[in-house]
Amino acid sequence: GAVVSQHPSRVICKSGTSVKIECRSLDFQATTMFWYRQFPKQSLMLMATSNEGSKATYEQGVEKDKFLINHASLTLSTLTVTSAHPEDSSFYICSARERSTGEYQPQHFGDGTRLSIL
Amino acid sequence: SQQGEEDPQALSIQEGENATMNCSYKTSINNLQWYRQNSGRGLVHLILIRSNEREKHSGRLRVTLDTSKKSSSLLITASRAADTASYFCATDGGTSYGKLTFGQGTILTVHP
Repeated sequence: GAVVSQHPSRVICKSGTSVKIECRSLDFQATTMFWYRQFPKQSLMLMATSNEGSKATYEQGVEKDKFLINHASLTLSTLTVTSAHPEDSSFYICSARERSTGEYQPQHFGDGTRLSIL
Repeated sequence: SQQGEEDPQALSIQEGENATMNCSYKTSINNLQWYRQNSGRGLVHLILIRSNEREKHSGRLRVTLDTSKKSSSLLITASRAADTASYFCATDGGTSYGKLTFGQGTILTVHP
């Protein structure tokens, strides 16, 4: 089955630090990757959609200069939280979607990154 | 914005019992999907039902879709302690990228 690897699984760092999270599709080419944020006991909030080789599309209310997304290859997307502050602490999850050859392709999710800013 | 409403928010049952979770949505959809999330982990895709389908089965899972009421239900039969997790419905409105809108989720606890 399709596997998405997300790294690191947990980050604890000081306020003002920039943090990079990687999302890799291990056994398929992901033409589209998604980044979500999830608060405790809540649902997933889509932050942005990224397509390989093009700029990410951000959801309303998400600061693109704060959350930098790069999708440089068909198997890798990165989310960088710049100058992170305690309010950025959250669970960040990526997902990847394989190129469709006719049949609908579901999103495959990474295991998430727990970000804690002190 | 999140359009999905799920009920119940939490469900606690004994092993062997059936668990039913409901999901409602507001806009037109291309398909509806159910995902499972174990605590502190990512989501696992369970089942997809298209807008022109009314019922779908996969193992111990049964999903129904009523587009006239904009609602879906997920039934897990003969539940096991290992089914303990959060369950989310997600709707695909038919955008070219397959963007999903997630419901609020149901926390299922199955007691052994």
